[in-house]
Amino acid sequence: EAQLVESGGGLVQPGGSLRLSCAASGFTFRSYSMNWVRQAPGKGLEWVSYISSTSSAISYIDSVKGRFTISRDNAKDSLYLQMNSLKAEDTAVYYCARDRCVSTSCGLDIWGQGTMVTVSS
Amino acid sequence: DIQMTQSPSSLSASVGDRVTITCRASQGISNFLAWYQQKPGKVPKLLIYAASTLQSGVPSRFSGSGSGTDFTLTITSLQPEDVATYYCQKYNSAPWTFGQGTKVEIK
Repeated sequence: EAQLVESGGGLVQPGGSLRLSCAASGFTFRSYSMNWVRQAPGKGLEWVSYISSTSSAISYIDSVKGRFTISRDNAKDSLYLQMNSLKAEDTAVYYCARDRCVSTSCGLDIWGQGTMVTVSS
Repeated sequence: DIQMTQSPSSLSASVGDRVTITCRASQGISNFLAWYQQKPGKVPKLLIYAASTLQSGVPSRFSGSGSGTDFTLTITSLQPEDVATYYCQKYNSAPWTFGQGTKVEIK
């Protein structure tokens, strides 16, 4: 069974950093594009970042460009999100999600359970 | 960036009712649209991709249609387990924006 498990969330002060990880199992990780999607408390879904299967294509939502970095290690079946210069508005549950496609996005078919990031002093 | 607007924001319907949710893109996106269901306290689930293709395992009472700027998600006979918030998402080009969501409740 395909599964994604996020880790690395927590409480961080404004301006701080966190690194989220997502461990994949039950499918051939290197064959799929991956995404990070977040959901602020009581709010809707917000796509954050995308990385293609070979890391050749990467995209971010404007509000995190220059602060967040997505990466992956296909040898370790893992996806990462390095988050720097965190702001209160980054507070959310962060989900890692598998894309149905290899080199572009076409629907997110497997989601992790999410990891909570709280940015507060 | 292309904006995705869903309507209504919420609805209440009876079991067995036909329910329709609309998603409008501010520019044409061909059929590069997905629909998701998020039940309370749960993880989002992919229902439909390519505007009208049902994801494996999704009940046939769910269907999607549309192309260009206007899309619909239809539940032909609302069931109690369909209580959820539904989101559309465009993926023709980054950013892969979600709609604001439509909350569906049972009357």
